[in-house]
Amino acid sequence: EAAVTQSPRNKVTVTGGNVTLSCRQTNSHNYMYWYRQDTGHGLRLIHYSYGAGNLQIGDVPDGYKATRTTQEDFFLLLELASPSQTSLYFCASSEGNYAEQFFGPGTRLTVL
Amino acid sequence: AQKVTQTQTSISVMEKTTVTMDCVYETQDSSYFLFWYKQTASGEIVFLIRQDSYKKENATVGHYSLNFQKPKSSIGLIITATQIEDSAVYFCAMREGGTEGADRLTFGKGTQLIIQP
Repeated sequence: EAAVTQSPRNKVTVTGGNVTLSCRQTNSHNYMYWYRQDTGHGLRLIHYSYGAGNLQIGDVPDGYKATRTTQEDFFLLLELASPSQTSLYFCASSEGNYAEQFFGPGTRLTVL
Repeated sequence: AQKVTQTQTSISVMEKTTVTMDCVYETQDSSYFLFWYKQTASGEIVFLIRQDSYKKENATVGHYSLNFQKPKSSIGLIITATQIEDSAVYFCAMREGGTEGADRLTFGKGTQLIIQP
């Protein structure tokens, strides 16, 4: 079974702060995804990647950058955090294009 | 554009009974993939079961099964012999079978299932 880990699990920052969320998967999956989950909106895709060095824009990319440094590691960057980015962030990975996704435990981010 | 709708926001049933959660979807593709996920109270999201549109037989995994009605664009999740630990939020999701650039899941907003002892 895929193992997806995220760090930190909780993060508090101030408006304008710089935040990096980390995700690592150890099942050799090519595809990785970043989502945010908000009450009333469900899960929304921010960015995703097909492999190391590849980046694709999701449905709600504004204010976020992402970088896929290796097959295992996918980072989400908030360079000027805003209160609207307060959310629960999930990373996921999948083996292939049509395969089910496996989710990490989530990172709760609060922007004051 | 693809769309996934779960109209039931919350369902409460007695333990050991059977429950069905509804999901309808919209897609222009003739090929697509449907998934159900469970989110526990701790926030963990777990994959449960999938149905590929070209398969006529309903998928079954453990005490989860699907009621796939393609003409109605409907994919219901059936849980039999429910247990307290089935209490969670259940999400339906769809992946269209299109080009590489369209390979994302679209999620419904979820149905909260409460199992009463």
